[in-house]
Amino acid sequence: GQQLNQSPQSMFIQEGEDVSMNCTSSSIFNTWLWYKQDPGEGPVLLIALYKAGELTSNGRLTAQFGITRKDSFLNISASIPSDVGIYFCAGQRLYSGAGSYQLTFGKGTKLSVIP
Amino acid sequence: KAGVTQTPRYLIKTRGQQVTLSCSPISGHRSVSWYQQTPGQGLQFLFEYFSETQRNKGNFPGRFSGRQFSNSRSEMNVSTLELGDSALYLCASSLESGSWDTQYFGPGTRLTVL
Repeated sequence: GQQLNQSPQSMFIQEGEDVSMNCTSSSIFNTWLWYKQDPGEGPVLLIALYKAGELTSNGRLTAQFGITRKDSFLNISASIPSDVGIYFCAGQRLYSGAGSYQLTFGKGTKLSVIP
Repeated sequence: KAGVTQTPRYLIKTRGQQVTLSCSPISGHRSVSWYQQTPGQGLQFLFEYFSETQRNKGNFPGRFSGRQFSNSRSEMNVSTLELGDSALYLCASSLESGSWDTQYFGPGTRLTVL
């Protein structure tokens, strides 16, 4: 089956530093999604990417859909304590047939911010 | 505007039993999808319902099933529970199938199988 390799698994950074994480796969995806999950809560969608090469920002977050459609990265600039959490990528692959797709998640990147 | 609600929040069952989890989507959302989250396997897509029909399905055995009602509320059922079914079960709703920008998750149901 399709697998997503998300790295790094965890990272400790100083407040104010920039952060970068990425997801790669051997499979092509039609959509890339980035989520953040806080303890005891469900994930929250941060950014959705729909086209190869697309670069999208959401505040201090920037994500890109790789040209090969097999990878994506998420950058967080000027990190703050509330950025702490687990970040997940997900790739959606469309199949023939109305609205058919498969959704695969990365294992997550646990971010810790040191004040 | 109320968010996605899931009931119950916590559940303890024993092997062999069955369980039904409920998800109420955000008002106006017609798509409900379900996910399993475990420390070992991470987040995995179970299935999606839209307009009372299962539109997409992940790689889970037939013991995992679901349905959606005319008011878009959805239930997920797991029969013949196994220890490995212990997990956080999350549901998410969105306006339409695949409209990711409108997707919101509920807080999840923590299922423990003894």
